[in-house]
Amino acid sequence: DIQMTQSPSSVSASVGDRVTITCRASQGISSWLAWYQQKPGKAPKLLIYAASSLQSGVPSRFSGSGSGTDFTLTISSLQPEDFATYYCQQANSFRALTFGGGTKVEIK
Amino acid sequence: EVQLVESGGVVVQPGGSLRLSCAASGFTFDDYAMHWVRQAPGKGLEWVSLISWDGGSTYYADSVKGRFTISRDNSKNSLYLQMNSLRAEDTALYYCAKDIGSSWNYFDYWGQGTLVTVSS
Repeated sequence: DIQMTQSPSSVSASVGDRVTITCRASQGISSWLAWYQQKPGKAPKLLIYAASSLQSGVPSRFSGSGSGTDFTLTISSLQPEDFATYYCQQANSFRALTFGGGTKVEIK
Repeated sequence: EVQLVESGGVVVQPGGSLRLSCAASGFTFDDYAMHWVRQAPGKGLEWVSLISWDGGSTYYADSVKGRFTISRDNSKNSLYLQMNSLRAEDTALYYCAKDIGSSWNYFDYWGQGTLVTVSS
């Protein structure tokens, strides 16, 4: 199976900060990558798919980049509602879809 | 409005069986692949299974292969997960998730989840 490694596991940031989360795949996955946001007690929400395509209704401060094995989720100006846990997910191998371990974005 | 409502989660003993259901509405159910994704308490997300739009193709995580069976009834807009030989490590919140397309393998809508607890 393809392993997805996220870093950092947690980050403390202030409102207005630029936040970058990294996801690395154990083998090349082209652009088959998504990013999700999950708040406590809620289901995950799709933010980005195909590495850089913004899901409908998601604010433009979220952006994704990368291809192959290295990917990045960037929040350009952190808002109060963005404090949550973020997961990457590879969609390259439909026989074994896998998620990263998650990155918790906390208030500084 | 897309809605996914899971049901069937209970406390079950190790070795037991359970069937989860997911009722879908607000979209053309048989146009989309569907998935089950689970989350153990306090842990991350784990994909469990995928079924194609017509039920003709199914895929499973290694951790559940041979024990779980995914199915769908397009006439009832419903998705199912038959879970056999349950283990303590299957304890989790089980989400039903809609694929973004026929099988793009991204999840654009999720249910609220149903909790399965495997314990004696």
